[in-house]
Amino acid sequence: GENVEQHPSTLSVQEGDSAVIKCTYSDSASNYFPWYKQELGKRPQLIIDIRSNVGEKKDQRIAVTLNKTAKHFSLHITETQPEDSAVYFCAATTGTASKLTFGTGTRLQVTL
Amino acid sequence: EAGVAQSPRYKIIEKRQSVAFWCNPISGHATLYWYQQILGQGPKLLIQFQNNGVVDDSQLPKDRFSAERLKGVDSTLKIQPAKLEDSAVYLCASSLDLGGGRRYEQYFGPGTRLTVT
Repeated sequence: GENVEQHPSTLSVQEGDSAVIKCTYSDSASNYFPWYKQELGKRPQLIIDIRSNVGEKKDQRIAVTLNKTAKHFSLHITETQPEDSAVYFCAATTGTASKLTFGTGTRLQVTL
Repeated sequence: EAGVAQSPRYKIIEKRQSVAFWCNPISGHATLYWYQQILGQGPKLLIQFQNNGVVDDSQLPKDRFSAERLKGVDSTLKIQPAKLEDSAVYLCASSLDLGGGRRYEQYFGPGTRLTVT
C-alpha cells in the first residue's frame, strides 16, 4: 500500500520567515495530495491540495509543489504568522477509492 | 452548511468494555470515513463507506472493531472489547466522492476522544 513520509517532525520559525514541509510517497499511481492543518484539540482542516496533473498551486501565503518523478511534494508558507502555529499533515491518495494515507505530521511553531 | 457531527466528544472506559461512536455526515455526501488518530500521529483510515457499502476496511481490526452505515447516511463505529492501545481520537469524515477518480475534499468531524484505562 501507499506509504507517506513527512519531514521535519517539528519546525520553529520566526514570524515573517518562510516554512517548508516536505513529504515523499511510495505509490507512483497516487494522484491527489492534500495538506491539512490541525490546531490543538481541533479537527484537521484542508488548507490546500494539488492533483497529479499540476506541478504547483498557490493560495495567498500558501503554496504546494509536486515532483511526480521524484515522488515528493512540499508545502511552502511565506510570511508566517503566529496563527500558522499548528500541526500540518500531508496525505496522498491513489486509485478510485480515494483512500487517504497521511504523513506523521509536522508541528510548526511560529515565534514572535 | 452544517458540518460533520460526532458524538460523544469524550469517552472513558475500562479495558474489555465496549463503546460505540456515532457520526452524521454532511448532507448529500456519499462517502464516509472513520479514522483513528493516536496522539502524535496522523489519522489512519479504519473503514470507508460509499453510500451503505464498504469500500475499504483493510486496516480495521475486525476481531474487535465493527462499523455500519445501514441507510447510507449516519454511521456507527463499535469497539468490543476495548484494549488500552485503542486510546485515541476517532475522527469521522465525509466527502462528495462517488469513486471514479475525481477527488473531493474530505471534511472532518470534531472527533471522539477515547481513553481506555
